[in-house]
Amino acid sequence: EPEVTQTPSHQVTQMGQEVILRCVPISNHLYFYWYRQILGQKVEFLVSFYNNEISEKSEIFDDQFSVERPDGSNFTLKIRSTKLEDSAMYFCASSESSGGAAVETQYFGPGTRLLVL
Amino acid sequence: KNQVEQSPQSLIILEGKNCTLQCNYTVSPFSNLRWYKQDTGRGPVSLTIMTFSENTKSNGRYTATLDADTKQSSLHITASQLSDSASYICVVSAIDDYKLSFGAGTTVTVRA
Repeated sequence: EPEVTQTPSHQVTQMGQEVILRCVPISNHLYFYWYRQILGQKVEFLVSFYNNEISEKSEIFDDQFSVERPDGSNFTLKIRSTKLEDSAMYFCASSESSGGAAVETQYFGPGTRLLVL
Repeated sequence: KNQVEQSPQSLIILEGKNCTLQCNYTVSPFSNLRWYKQDTGRGPVSLTIMTFSENTKSNGRYTATLDADTKQSSLHITASQLSDSASYICVVSAIDDYKLSFGAGTTVTVRA
């Protein structure tokens, strides 16, 4: 069964450094998402992406964050200058069509655990 | 503001027993409600999706109900197994909205 993959599984970085989290969505999916989950807290939506542009973003997704689909398979989340509070599990998800309002399953990757020191 | 509240926060049940988890939401205008299972350190996995017109949906031993009038949903786990130990998350989305609103989850621990 196809699945969403994410790399790395764990990332430790120093405050102020840039990090890039990578995701390979399911191949025939058109909509891509990033979520984060701070330890012990609920999953939070960051951004959705379709047709090479951001469809929607939350207030968390400020200028420090950016997303890109550099080629036909990868979907990346970049944090330009990490802060301590960026420490969280970051999940990538994908769906065949609009996963929010449309009744469409979003498939989540296993996550990247980011620790900012 | 769209909100999703779940109860209980956690529960412990014996293997083979049933349990029911609750979800209340204030998301409007409502589009659909999903239940996800999240194992520790893993991404959420979809169990059920229900739209406004659906009252119940099953996926194996998991049965979800939806009352769109009272804005409540429940997830019933039948004949629990050790592998059911996980966090169960209620997720609601609004019409014309790409993002999902997540509840904090109910942590279920199944003991032998």
